[in-house]
This record gives sequence, C-alpha cells and structure tokens, in this order.
Amino acid sequence: KQEVTQIPAALSVPEGENLVLNCSFTDSAIYNLQWFRQDPGKGLTSLLLIQSSQREQTSGRLNASLDKSSGRSTLYIAASQPGDSATYLCAPETSGSRLTFGEGTQLTVNP
Amino acid sequence: DTAVSQTPKYLVTQMGNDKSIKCEQNLGHDTMYWYKQDSKKFLKIMFSYNNKELIINETVPNRFSPKSPDKAHLNLHINSLELGDSAVYFCASSQDLRRGYEQYFGPGTRLTVT
Repeated sequence: KQEVTQIPAALSVPEGENLVLNCSFTDSAIYNLQWFRQDPGKGLTSLLLIQSSQREQTSGRLNASLDKSSGRSTLYIAASQPGDSATYLCAPETSGSRLTFGEGTQLTVNP
Repeated sequence: DTAVSQTPKYLVTQMGNDKSIKCEQNLGHDTMYWYKQDSKKFLKIMFSYNNKELIINETVPNRFSPKSPDKAHLNLHINSLELGDSAVYFCASSQDLRRGYEQYFGPGTRLTVT
C-alpha cells in the first residue's frame, strides 16, 4: 500500500526566497507523480506532472524532480511570491490511475 | 469554460437522509473519480470509472453508490448519512486509464451532516 509523506507540514518564508518542498513515497513502482496546489476552500490545481521516466519537469518558477528508485520528489519554487501561499500536495500514481496523496505542505509567503 | 463542475457546492443535511452530488466534465475524458477530503485535509480516492465502468472501489461503505449515466457524468449518491460522512468531496477526470495523464479536479462539495 502506497504511503506518502510530505515535509515540512508547514512553511513560512519571506517574499523572494527560494524554497524546496519534499515528498517521499513507499512504493517506488509508480507511473508518474503530480504536484498540486490547493487554495483554502478551493479545489486542486495541477502544477506539474512528472513521468516515471523523467528526472525533472519545469513550469515557470516551479521545478519538480523525481528520484523514483529512492521514492522521493521535490518541488522547487524560485523567487516566492505572496500569491504562492497555498497547500501543496504531491500524489504518485500507481496502477489503475490511482493517485495517493500526502497530507500536504502549507506554505505562507509573507510580503 | 468550466472543465470539471460539481453541484451543489455546499450541502447541509441531517443524519439518516439520502443525498446526491453531481459531477460533469466537458473535457472529453474517459475516466472520472471521486475523492474524499476529511477534516484533517487528507485526500483519499473513493471510486474511479472508465467509460461508465467501475474500476476502483476503495473500501467505501456501500451506503455510497456512484452512478455514471454517460462518460461525462459521475454522480455520487449517499444513503443514510452519518456524522462521519462530513467532508469535502472532489470529483476529478483524466483522459483515460493509461498512465501519464493529468487528473483535473472539480471545486469540491462541502458536505456537513448534523
């Protein structure tokens, strides 16, 4: 059974700082991994999908890396902005398009 | 242009009642899902359907019955509601079951059982 852990649970940083969110998963037999953001009271917005054969995926100020064999992924956010404040969730995909979610990292970027 | 929509957004009801939540996607996707996010914000998959066929049923009480009238719709019916059913329910869709496709989420339905 896949288990996903995200560290830290919460993070507060000043605007402009670069930061790294960590995700680890117990079953390395994944097909891909998605990073999402969730704003309070809202649904999930997909940020990046990284395939199991890839090591990295980039979108704007976001960069996700994947080390499938060690069961780890990181989300790097460059030059953070107050608008980046949200909860960030990672979700590896296993068979049957099954996503397993971590509990998330709650990010606050202070102006 | 709403991709995945859910109705209602909020639902407050009493224990023992039966209620339904509707989900529609206009992305032309073949696969749809229901997830539950509990009070601790933990998201777990409940069901998935592919072309109206049940694929995943994740040890959910049989009071929960998904119904897919066509591949653009996946509704969730809940019988005999209990306090523990209070949560936010999210619908999602992806292109199909093959690996590598993103899942797109609806805005959620906040269910409160009193």
